[in-house]
Amino acid sequence: GAVVSQHPSWVICKSGTSVKIECRSLDFQATTMFWYRQFPKQSLMLMATSNEGSKATYEQGVEKDKFLINHASLTLSTLTVTSAHPEDSSFYICSAEIFSTSVQETQYFGPGTRLLVL
Amino acid sequence: GENVGLHLPTLSVQEGDNSIINCAYSNSASDYFIWYKQESGKGPQFIIDIRSNMDKRQGQRVTVLLNKTVKHLSLQIAATQPGDSAVYFCAETGGYQKVTFGIGTKLQVIP
Repeated sequence: GAVVSQHPSWVICKSGTSVKIECRSLDFQATTMFWYRQFPKQSLMLMATSNEGSKATYEQGVEKDKFLINHASLTLSTLTVTSAHPEDSSFYICSAEIFSTSVQETQYFGPGTRLLVL
Repeated sequence: GENVGLHLPTLSVQEGDNSIINCAYSNSASDYFIWYKQESGKGPQFIIDIRSNMDKRQGQRVTVLLNKTVKHLSLQIAATQPGDSAVYFCAETGGYQKVTFGIGTKLQVIP
């Protein structure tokens, strides 16, 4: 099956620093990648939709200057949390989408990145 | 906006029993529904999906039922095992677009 990886799996940083999270589709090319954020005991909330070679589309309430997304290739998208603060501590999950014409899984999720800002 | 919601935040079942996890959705335009399993500290794992032109779909030990009349989705797990313990999310989408997740139900399997 299709595999999506994330790096790092967890990161601890000081307040004010920037953190970059990578999302890679390992064995397929992803037309679209999505970034989610999940707080403890809550659901996944979509942050942005990223298409290769174009600007990301951010959900309402998500600051694009705070969460920089780069989708430079069909297998890699990065999320940079700029000037991170403790309230940015969360579980960040990416997913990669491939085109499918049948009733089957079209989005594959990464394992997530745990961010803790001190 | 419209959301996908779940009735039960926590469900405890005895090992070997069947589990039923319910979900209500409000977006009548949704045409594709997915159930995900999420174990602690991991990303969501696809379980089963169903399109709006179907009312039932079966997989290995799992069955998804869709009732469009009342906008209700359910996941049935047969012979529940300890490894089934996780949080289950229903999700909906209008096609090859963003997936909207429901609140989630924690399934606890009692050995």
